[in-house]
Order: sequence, then structure tokens, then C-alpha cells
Amino acid sequence: QQQVKQSPQSLIVQKGGIPIINCAYENTAFDYFPWYQQFPGKGPALLIAIRPDVSEKKEGRFTISFNKSAKQFSLHIMDSQPGDSATYFCAASPKQDKYNNNDMRFGAGTRLTVKP
Amino acid sequence: NAGVTQTPKFQVLKTGQSMTLQCAQDMNHEYMSWYRQDPGMGLRLIHYSVGAGITDQGEVPNGYNVSRSTTEDFPLRLLSAAPSQTSVYFCASSKGISEDYGYTFGSGTRLTVV
Repeated sequence: QQQVKQSPQSLIVQKGGIPIINCAYENTAFDYFPWYQQFPGKGPALLIAIRPDVSEKKEGRFTISFNKSAKQFSLHIMDSQPGDSATYFCAASPKQDKYNNNDMRFGAGTRLTVKP
Repeated sequence: NAGVTQTPKFQVLKTGQSMTLQCAQDMNHEYMSWYRQDPGMGLRLIHYSVGAGITDQGEVPNGYNVSRSTTEDFPLRLLSAAPSQTSVYFCASSKGISEDYGYTFGSGTRLTVV
């Protein structure tokens, strides 16, 4: 079963809108929560990441909100642009350990379309 | 600044054939992983490595082997290809134990098994 559940599967917004993508997890050992952006034919690229000791992180137009008690986190894209049209993946990873863990799990992805 | 290089970009195999997907990184990253991407299922972890000589299984390891003899290279072997292994395969690497666990992905190998 998928350890990170992502919704919605697809999302269409108008230029300037604020798409929100949500993720939920069960494993309390997860310690690092990144978001990746993927354009067609390319590999995913790290967009922004958060750790559970903060509730929000902002980088440019991208914001992660994190709710540790609910085990949920979300990506908000402010003033969205057609160039933001891509597939977005949330992910979660346990605390890195030299001998134990390099086990990042991904959500199923959200295909975002921003209309001009 | 090559980053993570995957070869080949495309491959068609017949059922039962074997092949190796190559992955190399030039960032001196300790951690490397292989993922497969299928529609509606996101990226699923096949195998990963926390350093040269150390590998472990991910979510979907059956039908795949890996080895890590050097820090730079992490090849993925398909022992006897099956149509269910038709997918896009991504190799990724990261610094490992650090403040930033973020992965750098290669551009992928699109594999079709007929």
C-alpha cells in the first residue's frame, strides 16, 4: 500500500489562481517531506522541502504547510503561471541513517494545468 | 556538471531477455536509488544504496538486481524481462546524511517489454 497518499490526481486552475495539493502519511518515522516537479520527458526536480519541526516553509511562490498532528502536508502555488503546468509529487523519507535508511516514498502525483 | 546520467534513454526488450540499465553520478553522493514510474502510481522504489558495497530492497524489488561497487555507479539489472516491467526507470542520488536529503534524478530510461 502507498505510504504517502496524494490528492487530487489532477487540477486545473486559471493563471493567477492558487492550486493546493495535499498529502497524508502514516509512518511517524518520516522526517523529511520534499515536493518534486516533473515536466514531460524529464526526471523529477526538487522544488521545496520541509522538516516536521516547522509548520510552514516558503520559497518564492511555493509554500509548504505541515500539520504534524494530522500527519498531513500540502503545497500551495501562489500566483500560478502557465509555466507551472507540470506533475507534482510529494514524498517522505525517514531519518537518514548510514546503515539503515535511504527509503524515500512518493505520492502518486498531481497533474497541474494552469490555463492562460 | 553532468549530475546523474542514465543510459540508454529508450529500450525495447523481448520477454525473457536480460539487460542492465546504467546510472552514474559525478557529485560524490553516497546515496543512490532506482525508481520506476507508472501512470497513476507515482514513483516506486526498487532498490537503494547508502554507499559502495551496501544495497537494500525497496517496495518492488522482484525481478531486479543491483550492485554498488563504486560510489559513482549503480546499475540495475533485469534478469528475465516481463511485460509487467514496462515502465520509465529513474535513478536518483543524494548527499546522504546531511540537512538536505533532496534527490537529484536522471532523465530516465523508457523500457518496453514485448
